[in-house]
Amino acid sequence: QKEVEQNSGPLSVPEGAIASLNCTYSDRGSQSFFWYRQYSGKSPELIMFIYSNGDKEDGRFTAQLNKASQYVSLLIRDSQPSDSATYLCAVKNSGGYQKVTFGIGTKLQVIP
Amino acid sequence: SQTIHQWPATLVQPVGSPLSLECTVEGTSNPNLYWYRQAAGRGLQLLFYSVGIGQISSEVPQNLSASRPQDRQFILSSKKLLLSDSGFYLCAWSVGIDSPLHFGNGTRLTVT
Repeated sequence: QKEVEQNSGPLSVPEGAIASLNCTYSDRGSQSFFWYRQYSGKSPELIMFIYSNGDKEDGRFTAQLNKASQYVSLLIRDSQPSDSATYLCAVKNSGGYQKVTFGIGTKLQVIP
Repeated sequence: SQTIHQWPATLVQPVGSPLSLECTVEGTSNPNLYWYRQAAGRGLQLLFYSVGIGQISSEVPQNLSASRPQDRQFILSSKKLLLSDSGFYLCAWSVGIDSPLHFGNGTRLTVT
């Protein structure tokens, strides 16, 4: 079982729609969860982080965490063509060693 | 504010040649430092991480090694490169227990 799992996509949504990106993780003791956006040929940039169960909103982005189900998601409202990128889910593992594991990433295509 | 410098941006090396990639962080003390590799079309693979000077955790031993000679300096090395070492090498830093990673601009390595 992979430590952090994501569907590689591509996920295609029309402009203005809600894009829903999902991620599951295997380390039940994980406490910190991150979403990154990566444009082709560029390094990942942080979008959001979440530590507690529930929803966290920042502008058009909402991160959702369910530790019981070991599930993290990212919602992008009013999707724009500029949101087209690969979205990486990252999990900081338990044990205090600061190891951070990434999923393979989901490629999002926003169709104008 | 904190900044991370990673160089070179691109590198073409023949098989069997040595490698040295350097990463430095400014504006913070005692950061956690990371090296990731991203092969073409693949996810981020954690290679090494360090929580302090001289403290290196290896995830992918292979023919790579890492060193942290100073608090804010992280070096990735190889004595003899393989074709499979080609990829996008990313250095990242974080501070504290739960904080997110921040990436440098990366080095694109092509082994010929």
